[in-house]
Amino acid sequence: DTGVSQDPRHKITKRGQNVTFRCDPISEHNRLYWYRQTLGQGPEFLTYFQNEAQLEKSRLLSDRFSAERPKGSFSTLEIQRTEQGDSAMYLCASSPSRDTQYFGPGTRLTVL
Amino acid sequence: RKEVEQDPGPFNVPEGATVAFNCTYSNSASQSFFWYRQDCRKEPKLLMSVYSSGNEDGRFTAQLNRASQYISLLIRDSKLSDSATYLCVVMTNSGYALNFGKGTSLLVTP
Repeated sequence: DTGVSQDPRHKITKRGQNVTFRCDPISEHNRLYWYRQTLGQGPEFLTYFQNEAQLEKSRLLSDRFSAERPKGSFSTLEIQRTEQGDSAMYLCASSPSRDTQYFGPGTRLTVL
Repeated sequence: RKEVEQDPGPFNVPEGATVAFNCTYSNSASQSFFWYRQDCRKEPKLLMSVYSSGNEDGRFTAQLNRASQYISLLIRDSKLSDSATYLCVVMTNSGYALNFGKGTSLLVTP
């Protein structure tokens, strides 16, 4: 499968725990994006990488959220001290340029 | 006011019907426009880009009216498999962040 992959697909955690999600973009895509989608809403942009550089992070929801893409390939999104309001689908997308974004299957987070 | 607004529906139509979805956007400087399709509990998938001249892909036609800041999607001869949520999407001035509408839910019935 040459599409965007995300791991895990589902994560259940207790409030206050830290969680980390991984995204593997399509191999030749240098742009990588993270979005969050809550029930009944469209995806909401969080952050953007071009190669290993994080070019936009002001839309991350709070300082508990951080993302990395250390070698310009896969990326991780970490949420520290999770809250119930963090429960959502976290979507990763990639693109080769300023072009169509291809989404992965998402990680569904449930915070108890 | 949200940057991209859509009627959430649901639209319930019989097979073979023609259905149209509309969307408005607030940023007149927006440059790129898309319709994505999202099946229940799945990721959004690109249905089609929307160009100023309008474009058609089989049973699907998308149109853009920049003056009115309005985007439309027309589906002809609806199939059961068209049942999904259709997301209107606008690329922001940034050139990388997509703004999504809430989506319009379509149910095609036998």
